[in-house]
Amino acid sequence: TQLLEQSPQFLSIQEGENLTVYCNSSSVFSSLQWYRQEPGEGPVLLVTVVTGGEVKKLKRLTFQFGDARKDSSLHITAAQPGDTGLYLCAGVKGGSQGNLIFGKGTKLSVKP
Amino acid sequence: DADVTQTPRNRITKTGKRIMLECSQTKGHDRMYWYRQDPGLGLRLIYYSFDVKDINKGEISDGYSVSRQAQAKFSLSLESAIPNQTALYFCATSAFGEQFFGPGTRLTVL
Repeated sequence: TQLLEQSPQFLSIQEGENLTVYCNSSSVFSSLQWYRQEPGEGPVLLVTVVTGGEVKKLKRLTFQFGDARKDSSLHITAAQPGDTGLYLCAGVKGGSQGNLIFGKGTKLSVKP
Repeated sequence: DADVTQTPRNRITKTGKRIMLECSQTKGHDRMYWYRQDPGLGLRLIYYSFDVKDINKGEISDGYSVSRQAQAKFSLSLESAIPNQTALYFCATSAFGEQFFGPGTRLTVL
C-alpha cells in the first residue's frame, strides 16, 4: 500500500502553461516536503510545510499543505523548461523517528 | 566539493557477486540513509543510521547489509547480488528534517 499517492505520474506541457501536482494520503503527516530531482542527480529539497492549511511560495512555485495534514499540492505558474524534472513529495509520520515516506513522483517535461 | 559523495557512480556486476557501495559526507550530520530508486516506485528506504552505533533496517533491507565506519562514512553491501537489485542507489544525510542526497550509484546486476 502506497502511503503517499502522487498524481499525475507524468506531465508534458508547453512553456508558459500552469500546472498542479497532487500528493494525497489517508494518513496524517507531521510535516511534508517537496523535492526536485534532475537526471543524474539526487533529489534536492524545495520546501517543507508543517502546519495544516499552510501555503508557501518559492518564486513561481506555490506549495499548500491540506488543513487535515493528509495532502499537499504544488502549483507552478508559467512553467519554464528549467522546471523539467522529477517532483517528489515526502511525508514524516509521527513516531517514525523522522524518517521520510516518499511518493512515487511526478515526471514533468516543459517544452520550449 | 560535493557534501555527499558516492562511489562508484556506475557499476555493472554479475549475479552472485559481492558488491559494496560507499558514501561519504562532509556535512557533519549524524543521520545517514540508504535508498533505492526504481522507475515508477519512488525512493524506498533500505537502512538508516542515527549515529555510529545505531543502525536500523528500513522498508526493504532483505539482501542488503550496511556498515557505519565513522560519522562521515556509511557503506551498503550486497552480499550476493541478484538481477532485481538493479536500481539507482542514493545515500543521504539529514539534520533538522531536511535530507541531503548524494548523486547516486547506478547498479546493474546481470
